Amino acid sequence: GQNIDQPTEMTATEGAIVQINCTYQTSGFNGLFWYQQHAGEAPTFLSYNVLDGLEEKGRFSSFLSRSKGYSYLLLKELQMKDSASYLCAVMDSNYQLIWGAGTKLIIKP
Amino acid sequence: DVKVTQSSRYLVKRTGEKVFLECVQDMDHENMFWYRQDPGLGLRLIYFSYDVKMKEKGDIPEGYSVSREKKERFSLILESASTNQTSMYLCATKPGTGDEVTGELFFGEGSRLTVL
Repeated sequence: GQNIDQPTEMTATEGAIVQINCTYQTSGFNGLFWYQQHAGEAPTFLSYNVLDGLEEKGRFSSFLSRSKGYSYLLLKELQMKDSASYLCAVMDSNYQLIWGAGTKLIIKP
Repeated sequence: DVKVTQSSRYLVKRTGEKVFLECVQDMDHENMFWYRQDPGLGLRLIYFSYDVKMKEKGDIPEGYSVSREKKERFSLILESASTNQTSMYLCATKPGTGDEVTGELFFGEGSRLTVL
């Protein structure tokens, strides 16, 4: 079966760095997405990785290793507004998205 | 900016009622999707559409139907609502045609449905 695993909840301190991991087992691979979802709001796109390596976008970076079925989202210089759920999703060989349950990130002052 | 508008943010319905959830987008995207989001679970795809009058079942279509009479509007219908359909429903759109579409999704704000 297809499976996406990510931690349920993480806590970090304002100004620090946090890494949210995502491991996947899917039938085929056409890219991995990260979305951010604040409580009660719509998910918004953060990043897309289809090749191995690190993609950097300001304070946020996303890493992919296809051979290991592994990705992480790295958030630097954490701000209180980064408190949200972070959703990992993999596009399989049929171009359908398989979603993880999301990681709730709590930022403490 | 892409705008995806869902008609109702909060609904409370009774078991057996017919429920319509409307989604309208203003960016001329070909692809539209309905998901449900439940605590502890990933987003689950109910139905999607690649074109007007075209629909495809997702992973959990049972108890739902959809309608896409116009490109900008995609409706989700619960013919006879049940308590296990209490959930957050998210509409999403994506540009592109055909199966090989890898772009990002644009989501609406969500419709939280409670079935009593």
